[in-house]
Amino acid sequence: AQSVTQLDSQVPVFEEAPVELRCNYSSSVSVYLFWYVQYPNQGLQLLLKYLSGSTLVESINGFEAEFNKSQTSFHLRKPSVHISDTAEYFCAVSAGTGNQFYFGTGTSLTVIP
Amino acid sequence: NAGVTQTPKFQVLKTGQSMTLQCAQDMNHEYMSWYRQDPGMGLRLIHYSVGAGITDQGEVPNGYNVSRSTTEDFPLRLLSAAPSQTSVYFCASSYYGLADYEQYFGPGTRLTVT
Repeated sequence: AQSVTQLDSQVPVFEEAPVELRCNYSSSVSVYLFWYVQYPNQGLQLLLKYLSGSTLVESINGFEAEFNKSQTSFHLRKPSVHISDTAEYFCAVSAGTGNQFYFGTGTSLTVIP
Repeated sequence: NAGVTQTPKFQVLKTGQSMTLQCAQDMNHEYMSWYRQDPGMGLRLIHYSVGAGITDQGEVPNGYNVSRSTTEDFPLRLLSAAPSQTSVYFCASSYYGLADYEQYFGPGTRLTVT
């Protein structure tokens, strides 16, 4: 079975500062890794995903995540955050030929003006 | 495309009442699922379906029933609501087969059981 750990439940950061949201996973098989974002009172939206190939993946709004197999991590980073990045961020893992996703408990990112 | 739609957006029930949360998608996705979201617990899978007529249990299925008579619809039924079922419920859909398929989420239903 797979599991996901998001170590930080809340991350406050000042506007234009860098941020890292941590995600670690456990799995006995190869996995696919995802970051989803949830804005207030909305559903989840895909931010970025790692399937194979380059271990560094990027989103269209400046976020990036790096798959590190040896450390079983998939941390999310952004070099300069904006107020509009305030949201809940979920790391998720999926494996095998099924579609079951396992989500972390989420990290609430608050960008302070 | 409307994507994944859910109704109602908000609902208040009394303990013991029953109700159905509706979910529909217009993307011809085979896979549909229901999650509940609780503070500090992330999203937990309740039930899922890989196609019409096929359903299976997820991590927290007790107290919930589902059916899948069409590709488009995947209703979630609460037979006898309990305060522990107070939560935000999300429906999601995707293509089925490979685990790398993105899941598309509905806007959620906020349920309160008193």
